[in-house]
Amino acid sequence: GDSVTQMEGPVTLSEEAFLTINCTYTATGYPSLFWYVQYPGEGLQLLLKATKADDKGSNKGFEATYRKETTSFHLEKGSVQVSDSAVYFCALSDLDSNYQLIWGAGTKLIIKP
Amino acid sequence: GAVVSQHPSWVICKSGTSVKIECRSLDFQATTMFWYRQFPKQSLMLMATSNEGSKATYEQGVEKDKFLINHASLTLSTLTVTSAHPEDSSFYICSVLPDRLGRMNTEAFFGQGTRLTVV
Repeated sequence: GDSVTQMEGPVTLSEEAFLTINCTYTATGYPSLFWYVQYPGEGLQLLLKATKADDKGSNKGFEATYRKETTSFHLEKGSVQVSDSAVYFCALSDLDSNYQLIWGAGTKLIIKP
Repeated sequence: GAVVSQHPSWVICKSGTSVKIECRSLDFQATTMFWYRQFPKQSLMLMATSNEGSKATYEQGVEKDKFLINHASLTLSTLTVTSAHPEDSSFYICSVLPDRLGRMNTEAFFGQGTRLTVV
């Protein structure tokens, strides 16, 4: 079945550092890929998404490119801020999963001033 | 603005009592809603898929008699934790799958979550 694997956390960076959170997936079909963010004490929010190969999702300075050849959807940001501290979840959705979201385990990001 | 309203955002109850959590879709109709549970430092665990007008589909290991799901309308699903115990304390999140044509690109929208503490 479909699955999502993302790098374990926590990831600790200094402010203005470059961020990469790796995410790879396994799917038999052509999934849509998502990054969700959960800020402390809040619910999940969609950060960005990509629906087909080579699409780039972007929002709030974050980017991720749908790479079918490497089955990856790595999250990147050029210069992180303390306010980016949160838990980030990679997820996929496709017909084979009946459009249920299949989740990665989440990566906690800690940004130090 | 929010497209999914989940209520309450937090609740404390005594062991043995029941708690109802509501999930409302504000902007669209949704035949399908999902209920998740999140344990500390872990990812979301799908508990059940709620289908309007029919019985919910529960994931393996989830007690359907303990976690009652009712999806009486296209905009409301409820999760009732019956005879709650301390081990049921968790963060419960609903998500809504909008009814749209061309579901290949459908994304789910999430409620704010409910922090349940059973004492």
